[in-house]
Amino acid sequence: DSGVTQTPKHLITATGQRVTLRCSPRSGDLSVYWYQQSLDQGLQFLIQYYNGEERAKGNILERFSAQQFPDLHSELNLSSLELGDSALYFCASSVGLDNSPLHFGNGTRLTVT
Amino acid sequence: GNSVTQMEGPVTLSEEAFLTINCTYTATGYPSLFWYVQYPGEGLQLLLKATKADDKGSNKGFEATYRKETTSFHLEKGSVQVSDSAVYFCALSDQGGSEKLVFGKGTKLTVNP
Repeated sequence: DSGVTQTPKHLITATGQRVTLRCSPRSGDLSVYWYQQSLDQGLQFLIQYYNGEERAKGNILERFSAQQFPDLHSELNLSSLELGDSALYFCASSVGLDNSPLHFGNGTRLTVT
Repeated sequence: GNSVTQMEGPVTLSEEAFLTINCTYTATGYPSLFWYVQYPGEGLQLLLKATKADDKGSNKGFEATYRKETTSFHLEKGSVQVSDSAVYFCALSDQGGSEKLVFGKGTKLTVNP
């Protein structure tokens, strides 16, 4: 058990809809990362937050947004969903900005129909 | 930009066989290199890492050496077990730590008894 909790585990929704994925980091971790895992693109870094502030941005679409709340949990919002957004979305956390390893949650599987 | 290339799987071995999973990278500067493992239905876990040239990372019988001259970080294990069946990801970070990890596409390993 990595200590990172992601909800829900599975999500099925229709094109054009909006969903919110939730992540609770490991106790004491200040950094939260979001990754998208799809068969064709592999694991893609989306965005990182550190102590409530956006720290780094990767290949995140404009239809997607995220935030980290004062209690350090994070939410990833996906809107105007397309079939191609179907993927596994992973959240990871780490202690800080140093060389500490990432701890991954078990992911949220999103299916867009 | 930075990228990681892993040997394509799947790889199927018998128990106690020798394992090599090749990984090469393209990066500016001196990235940190990582191997992560993903067991079925779980998130990724850090297996080992190396932060500078000629460093050897090791864990659970797995080893990988950071080779700057060949830009490689091949994963090896002398005698695999059925419990090693998983997907293995090579990754790099040019931020010095775990920020903005760039992953390879993963190599699925199946070990048969």
